[in-house]
Amino acid sequence: ETGVTQSPTHLIKTRGQQVTLRCSSQSGHNTVSWYQQALGQGPQFIFQYYREEENGRGNFPPRFSGLQFPNYSSELNVNALELDDSALYLCASSLGGGAGEQFFGPGTRLTVL
Amino acid sequence: RKEVEQDPGPFNVPEGATVAFNCTYSNSASQSFFWYRQDCRKEPKLLMSVYSSGNEDGRFTAQLNRASQYISLLIRDSKLSDSATYLCVVNDNAGNMLTFGGGTRLMVKP
Repeated sequence: ETGVTQSPTHLIKTRGQQVTLRCSSQSGHNTVSWYQQALGQGPQFIFQYYREEENGRGNFPPRFSGLQFPNYSSELNVNALELDDSALYLCASSLGGGAGEQFFGPGTRLTVL
Repeated sequence: RKEVEQDPGPFNVPEGATVAFNCTYSNSASQSFFWYRQDCRKEPKLLMSVYSSGNEDGRFTAQLNRASQYISLLIRDSKLSDSATYLCVVNDNAGNMLTFGGGTRLMVKP
């Protein structure tokens, strides 16, 4: 069984740029959730994709967008990067819309300068 | 007011000690409750689910009080390897959004 993988591991961008983060869900899982974890805080829910459709969204602006592909992998896109977007971005995969246990990937650490 | 509140700690305890963490949540409609463990610069991992009847997994005991909207985690006979941040997590009633507390940092010393 393959676990959740994310790429890249680390990323440095400048204000105003755009970034795409990628997540491959665990084998057999059809749901991917994305979280932002700022330093010293708990993860904050960004949104969830279930069977290629957005299935819930947290309190994040529209410049945070996502996609889920037919193989259930997912992308998180952030436009017009701000300094406060610097954080660890975690994806979690699960089965059945997130009601089951969510398994987290190792995260992508984004630094915005 | 945060939806899930925890004492950030750190809790510094000697090996073998018993330590308890508490957490309160604000959404009375929350359906599922968990404790996750997060090691430094790693991803969160599920430690245990929390049920109204209380549940135990080895040295770890979790309790839920729905009336008080309060969750607890008790760790007995602390090990050095228990040093981590413990995250209290609540799942909304739609089942698709985990709400995390800020975490409680535990440091177990020799």
